[in-house]
Amino acid sequence: EAQVTQNPRYLITVTGKKLTVTCSQNMNHEYMSWYRQDPGLGLRQIYYSMNVEVTDKGDVPEGYKVSRKEKRNFPLILESPSPNQTSLYFCASSRSGYSYDSPLHFGNGTRLTVT
Amino acid sequence: RKEVEQDPGPFNVPEGATVAFNCTYSNSASQSFFWYRQDCRKEPKLLMSVYSSGNEDGRFTAQLNRASQYISLLIRDSKLSDSATYLCVVNTKGRYSGGGADGLTFGKGTHLIIQP
Repeated sequence: EAQVTQNPRYLITVTGKKLTVTCSQNMNHEYMSWYRQDPGLGLRQIYYSMNVEVTDKGDVPEGYKVSRKEKRNFPLILESPSPNQTSLYFCASSRSGYSYDSPLHFGNGTRLTVT
Repeated sequence: RKEVEQDPGPFNVPEGATVAFNCTYSNSASQSFFWYRQDCRKEPKLLMSVYSSGNEDGRFTAQLNRASQYISLLIRDSKLSDSATYLCVVNTKGRYSGGGADGLTFGKGTHLIIQP
């Protein structure tokens, strides 16, 4: 089954403890992206990657890191999480960039709580 | 003016009714447009693309008005299962040729509640 898989689904951690949220897609998609969703603010892009070893900042990259060493994986790293990073996170992928014939496929989300 | 703006609702609509809502965008260079549906605490899923000539998919009709810079979604014969948040998504060409995902902007969504 074609899908984007995020892990974990739920994560509670403490301030300052490094964490990684994994994202993997099995559709051979070139483009991958991370979003956070907060009440009243909608979906905001954190980082995106047009292809292997090509990453770029989205609208809210502060406090996050990503890497794209393989086509299928795009982990999101929080080196020193803070409470304002408590949010619902989505990973997404598409075949190439984003267009009418290349829609975004989302993972089922990671709900992160930082205390 | 916000880049992509939607009325957050909620819109409470009786089952079987027709409901329509709009989404305005500020960048006239925007090139492609989409409606996504998101159920509570779940991932967004593509509902339909919005083509220049307008397009229909079953009970759903999407329209684009470039002159006034808005897109619309119309749902006919609404079902209880249509209750969800509808996200407007606009793609504005980024620095990568051929359109860039970096130009993708999501509206905050319109919350629709279909009541029995």
